[in-house]
Amino acid sequence: EAGVVQSPRYKIIEKKQPVAFWCNPISGHNTLYWYRQNLGQGPELLIRYENEEAVDDSQLPKDRFSAERLKGVDSTLKIQPAELGDSAVYLCASSLGGGDTQYFGPGTRLTVL
Amino acid sequence: AQSVTQLDSQVPVFEEAPVELRCNYSSSVSVYLFWYVQYPNQGLQLLLKYLSGSTLVKGINGFEAEFNKSQTSFHLRKPSVHISDTAEYFCAVIPIAGGTSYGKLTFGQGTILTVHP
Repeated sequence: EAGVVQSPRYKIIEKKQPVAFWCNPISGHNTLYWYRQNLGQGPELLIRYENEEAVDDSQLPKDRFSAERLKGVDSTLKIQPAELGDSAVYLCASSLGGGDTQYFGPGTRLTVL
Repeated sequence: AQSVTQLDSQVPVFEEAPVELRCNYSSSVSVYLFWYVQYPNQGLQLLLKYLSGSTLVKGINGFEAEFNKSQTSFHLRKPSVHISDTAEYFCAVIPIAGGTSYGKLTFGQGTILTVHP
């Protein structure tokens, strides 16, 4: 069974530029999560989707971050414009349901110069 | 809300020695507990989880953890470590049901395990 797929794996951009990350969850998983992991810390939830609906986006900085999950499968996380403090690893995870075990993708390491 | 404290940021140990990585949590509701491992430049891999039943849980790669409800702890152990166990380990909890935190994994800060030859 294929795991959670993310792309790109690495991204280097200059501040104020836009950037987008893509995630394909495990087949059949209705719940999708985006986490941000700063250096030396554990991941922190940015947004959680149940199918197409964002049910928890309280930690998403909405002035510059946006996310979508069209058709309830793939998801895209966007930052526009990026700031130096956005440098981090962005992890996507999926689970069968909201309380079920979450499986993580390899992450996208973002460096903002 | 939930919080997780991993009591050691770094644990150095020699190969074939036993190791224990400590985790304490705080929550006003019942939780499920997890340990994940992260190898350099990779995502998180599930090591083991406690949902219910026996408080001693066995996971992959010879790891096990014991849930202690009275001490709100979920320490990870391995009787004999290998060089390949060198990685960062994260303890995490998730509320069992309901409330605004449902579905939200809360992680500790991580413990870097370094196994020396």
